[in-house]
Amino acid sequence: AQSVTQLDSQVPVFEEAPVELRCNYSSSVSVYLFWYVQYPNQGLQLLLKYLSGSTLVKGINGFEAEFNKSQTSFHLRKPSVHISDTAEYFCAAGRRGYQKVTFGTGTKLQVIP
Amino acid sequence: EAGVAQSPRYKIIEKRQSVAFWCNPISGHATLYWYQQILGQGPKLLIQFQNNGVVDDSQLPKDRFSAERLKGVDSTLKIQPAKLEDSAVYLCASSLVGGSNTEAFFGQGTRLTVV
Repeated sequence: AQSVTQLDSQVPVFEEAPVELRCNYSSSVSVYLFWYVQYPNQGLQLLLKYLSGSTLVKGINGFEAEFNKSQTSFHLRKPSVHISDTAEYFCAAGRRGYQKVTFGTGTKLQVIP
Repeated sequence: EAGVAQSPRYKIIEKRQSVAFWCNPISGHATLYWYQQILGQGPKLLIQFQNNGVVDDSQLPKDRFSAERLKGVDSTLKIQPAKLEDSAVYLCASSLVGGSNTEAFFGQGTRLTVV
């Protein structure tokens, strides 16, 4: 089974500054990768996903992520954050031929005015 | 399009009591998931249904947790008896098809506190 590591539990950043949320996974073999966002008292919502093809994936709300096979990473980036981006972000991974998706422990993004 | 509906939103019970959660997935979604999200952790899959059959329940504590999916639509998750460590948010999700390459749509969750 895949394992997913999100090393940063909290990331404070000033409004309009760029941000990168880090995610590493255990195996690049036929991997599927996701970023979900969870706003307070809400369920998770998909931001973007990588299934195959281009390693740069663009998602909703101006977020993007890059699949890096050699570093087994799938870091999430946004060039300029807004207050409304304050939320918890979860990286998740699955493998072809398996049903299960494994989630990381989450990173809380706090945007400071 | 209506999203995944869960009830109740909040529940407080004493240890050793029983509790049940209800989930109504998005219409037409064949796959339904129940996740447990303990504070400070990511969601952990408890059980996955494909229509009304169980695909994966390897992490479901079967001595106290049970789940069913009625007629391949609604689902209930039950805990009996509850322990303090069951305090968590229980998330229901659904997807059009199964497979680890599929986007899941999540409900708002039920926050359970066991005292």
